[in-house]
Amino acid sequence: DQQVKQNSPSLSVQEGRISILNCDYTNSMFDYFLWYKKYPAEGPTFLISISSIKDKNEDGRFTVFLNKSAKHLSLHIVPSQPGDSAVYFCAAAGTYNFNKFYFGSGTKLNVKP
Amino acid sequence: DTAVSQTPKYLVTQMGNDKSIKCEQNLGHDTMYWYKQDSKKFLKIMFSYNNKELIINETVPNRFSPKSPDKAHLNLHINSLELGDSAVYFCASSQQGRTDTQYFGPGTRLTVL
Repeated sequence: DQQVKQNSPSLSVQEGRISILNCDYTNSMFDYFLWYKKYPAEGPTFLISISSIKDKNEDGRFTVFLNKSAKHLSLHIVPSQPGDSAVYFCAAAGTYNFNKFYFGSGTKLNVKP
Repeated sequence: DTAVSQTPKYLVTQMGNDKSIKCEQNLGHDTMYWYKQDSKKFLKIMFSYNNKELIINETVPNRFSPKSPDKAHLNLHINSLELGDSAVYFCASSQQGRTDTQYFGPGTRLTVL
């Protein structure tokens, strides 16, 4: 039973355009959400996070939006760059157990020059 | 300097064998984790240790036994390997209560023949 889902296994975007990666979750107890980026043969690296008290968090070209009522979050990358090509994982946790993350299956982003 | 290292990077073995994967972190973190990335690409937490004490133990066969000799190391021993154990195993570490500082190792690809 997957509590975090990323329904798009892949996404292809032209350099300079916006990339939008989506994530859905089912557990209403989740109140902390993260995005990780993963290059081949490397472990995931933390990218950006958002807590449930916010609906938006921005860090440079990366913005995460949270829609609690829809149990949906998205990662926007603007402008997209070829170096952004990687697999992006969405993860969620609840403050009742901060150590336990639930990950989605990832979306492979390809940014074409 | 490698923050979280895992050895070996690749492990190919026969069914029924016993194998170990080692993990070390030099970040001074007090919490370490083992994740399994299965064929569907989901990253699932298996174990978490905080200051050498087991704090998360998911529904994992008891053929899997984590061992934490000290705060900087968390090894994973697997007995009687089965075909279904083939996956990529990631070690990670974080500072207690700081979910955004979870650092991952490069992963160990285990193939059971």
